[in-house]
Amino acid sequence: DTEVTQTPKHLVMGMTNKKSLKCEQHMGHRAMYWYKQKAKKPPELMFVYSYEKLSINESVPSRFSPECPNSSLLNLHLHALQPEDSALYLCASSPVGQPNTEAFFGQGTRLTVV
Amino acid sequence: ILNVEQSPQSLHVQEGDSTNFTCSFPSSNFYALHWYRWETAKSPEALFVMTLNGDEKKKGRISATLNTKEGYSYLYIKGSQPEDSATYLCASMDTGRRALTFGSGTRLQVQP
Repeated sequence: DTEVTQTPKHLVMGMTNKKSLKCEQHMGHRAMYWYKQKAKKPPELMFVYSYEKLSINESVPSRFSPECPNSSLLNLHLHALQPEDSALYLCASSPVGQPNTEAFFGQGTRLTVV
Repeated sequence: ILNVEQSPQSLHVQEGDSTNFTCSFPSSNFYALHWYRWETAKSPEALFVMTLNGDEKKKGRISATLNTKEGYSYLYIKGSQPEDSATYLCASMDTGRRALTFGSGTRLQVQP
């Protein structure tokens, strides 16, 4: 199974809502990533988890809160978002410390903040 | 943070044409260079992962080269087919951060 599954595929939320994005993989990868992509821009790294510990936070606002409850799951908790946070959120996973290996991506969650 | 640049931004070619794209990246602290193919409404899929200067990799009609000293990689598609239509992303990884930094991609459309 080389799939990274993201749910939901689409999400519309108000600025006062709390919601969560979920990402799951069963490839035994111990590095998991959240990326944010806005239209016609490159995917931008938000967070990296390595062995279920947060290893990189790219100065992301605290209204985005990541969580890695186990080696297969990665969540992104959203609270009090702004309309400019509307974007495609991509999850990825890879083995740790193996530069010759590819990352596997989910299809993304298309988030709209109204 | 790395700055990865891709050109051209978009490309329209006829079926059967050969084409190539460029990815440039900072050469210092280089660790790896990835190429991904991303079709609309699907997940990005890896084409190549390259780590060594002078590397050349091939998968069917698609090939890639890597120059880590000058910081560039080329992706070639020979005899483009309509099913090659997608966005092609390159991403670089350095020894410090060890996470992928992406370029904006080259959007390829192949007309039958």
